[in-house]
Amino acid sequence: DGGITQSPKYLFRKEGQNVTLSCEQNLNHDAMYWYRQDPGQGLRLIYYSQIVNDFQKGDIAEGYSVSREKKESFPLTVTSAQKNPTAFYLCASSPRASDYGYTFGSGTRLTVV
Amino acid sequence: ELKVEQNPLFLSMQEGKNYTIYCNYSTTSDRLYWYRQDPGKSLESLFVLLSNGAVKQEGRLMASLDTKARLSTLHITAAVHDLSATYFCAVDPTNAGKSTFGDGTTLTVKP
Repeated sequence: DGGITQSPKYLFRKEGQNVTLSCEQNLNHDAMYWYRQDPGQGLRLIYYSQIVNDFQKGDIAEGYSVSREKKESFPLTVTSAQKNPTAFYLCASSPRASDYGYTFGSGTRLTVV
Repeated sequence: ELKVEQNPLFLSMQEGKNYTIYCNYSTTSDRLYWYRQDPGKSLESLFVLLSNGAVKQEGRLMASLDTKARLSTLHITAAVHDLSATYFCAVDPTNAGKSTFGDGTTLTVKP
């Protein structure tokens, strides 16, 4: 079955540490996205990529970095520059055209300890 | 800056009742999306509305889009407990595949 796989499901980060969240899709979708969700709030766009080897900043890119070396993969690194990283991180993908909604992964809960 | 506003943000209703959730957005867009999120879970796509006057229905949920009013509605008919979830609308005004989400409407259906 096609879908998006995010790992790990839970992640704990120490102060000053960089961590990387994995996102892999086998839907053959061109576009991939990273959103952050804080408790009781909507989703805010961190980064997105419409094509391999290209990506753009979203609304809250500071303290985050991404890469898109393969169509199937769009990992997100939360750097030590992100001062408040505790949140639920959601990866999504879609065909390049916006005539379709997103398919979401199951999410990663990141907690700073 | 694009703003997407949903109301109400919280809705508690009895089983069997009807209600409507509203989604207003501040920039012209001819496409709008509705998603559902269960507690502690990810989002799943419910409806994709691609033109003015578009109407989609699935079970007890019906979504519509009025691009001139910059308004979408999600109507719930004869609510059942299984519909309890948070519902998000999202807008992509540039047709670039990059959506801006509302804050969500948390629906609780009580017996």
